[in-house]
Amino acid sequence: DGGITQSPKYLFRKEGQNVTLSCEQNLNHDAMYWYRQDPGQGLRLIYYSQIVNDFQKGDIAEGYSVSREKKESFPLTVTSAQKNPTAFYLCASSIEKTDRGETQYFGPGTRLLVL
Amino acid sequence: AQSVAQPEDQVNVAEGNPLTVKCTYSVSGNPYLFWYVQYPNRGLQFLLKYITGDNLVKGSYGFEAEFNKSQTSFHLKKPSALVSDSALYFCAVRDRMDSNYQLIWGAGTKLIIKP
Repeated sequence: DGGITQSPKYLFRKEGQNVTLSCEQNLNHDAMYWYRQDPGQGLRLIYYSQIVNDFQKGDIAEGYSVSREKKESFPLTVTSAQKNPTAFYLCASSIEKTDRGETQYFGPGTRLLVL
Repeated sequence: AQSVAQPEDQVNVAEGNPLTVKCTYSVSGNPYLFWYVQYPNRGLQFLLKYITGDNLVKGSYGFEAEFNKSQTSFHLKKPSALVSDSALYFCAVRDRMDSNYQLIWGAGTKLIIKP
């Protein structure tokens, strides 16, 4: 899992509650990503950021929000608008200064469950 | 549309036998190709990637993959399987022409190595 940490490992959300998943990296990577993983499906991109103070929506951004105030941190908020949030959430980072097929490195994941 | 296919949901191999996990892709330009492995309740670990050059790529834990442009495939192989290789394997591709540097993911193949 390298130099990427995610917390908490497990998170429980009540109806109507917003929850925030933490992702921190000490790899000095410019780009960071949030993916959602459901059983039997590949990873789906929620949001990504290629530089501080900038981020873009991925394929399934509805019901989620992010911020990128520091290079090392890319927190993900699951809002009450996300009606089916139960999933395994993975954060990743990569060097993206040039297009050389840079590798994405992943954190250990956070499992979000709804009470 | 760009896509990645892993045609087998599950592959069963006896320990000591060679293993192959299949991946085919469809992108508009030339691809960067990646293989990752995921153990239960863990993040993804990078195994290997094809950027350019030799079509046979060697990676971690004795795995290798061969890029076949004409067949648009990037199958993962290992000469002699270990029980500890049992895990979920993901193929991913990135189009060199994609300025957003996003990865397209296969749905994953569960590899089971039987003693």
